[in-house]
Amino acid sequence: EDQVTQSPEALRLQEGESSSLNCSYTVSGLRGLFWYRQDPGKGPEFLFTLYSAGEEKEKERLKATLTKKESFLHITAPKPEDSATYLCAFSSNTGKLIFGQGTTLQVKP
Amino acid sequence: EAQVTQNPRYLITVTGKKLTVTCSQNMNHEYMSWYRQDPGLGLRQIYYSMNVEVTDKGDVPEGYKVSRKEKRNFPLILESPSPNQTSLYFCASSLRPAGDSYEQYFGPGTRLTVT
Repeated sequence: EDQVTQSPEALRLQEGESSSLNCSYTVSGLRGLFWYRQDPGKGPEFLFTLYSAGEEKEKERLKATLTKKESFLHITAPKPEDSATYLCAFSSNTGKLIFGQGTTLQVKP
Repeated sequence: EAQVTQNPRYLITVTGKKLTVTCSQNMNHEYMSWYRQDPGLGLRQIYYSMNVEVTDKGDVPEGYKVSRKEKRNFPLILESPSPNQTSLYFCASSLRPAGDSYEQYFGPGTRLTVT
């Protein structure tokens, strides 16, 4: 059965304290792995798509990486405005899109 | 500005009273979806539409209906709402099917409470 698990559920960091969020998945065939950011009271906002193991993408303080079993979202020197819930999702060869439950990040000044 | 709009943003209703949540996109996207988001369960797809007059069930379609008469609009209909449909609902659109790895644009959400 295709499934995705995100960890940790919640993460508190001090401003400038780098860390990583994990998204592990089991899927019959991976078409793509997505990362979204969701602010309170808003819809998810697209960040990255990764297609194959070894691929990396960066945007400001965020870098997403992908292996055959998991994806990491690395946050370097985070700022309070990076506080949000980060969702990962993957699409499989069946065409379905499956979302994880999210990691809620709080960055304190 | 490229966007997906939903109305209403907040709705409190009673069991059995039919309601419609509207969704509209201005990006000429072919693919549109409805999701519900519940604590601990993540985003789950309710229905999706590949194009005008083409709709299909997602993972949790029971109790919902949709229609796609125009490319830009994709309303979600609850003909007889029940308390277990209390949730946060999102409409999304993309150029091609989300499962084909196209990024989706999400609306701002509709918080529905059924008493």
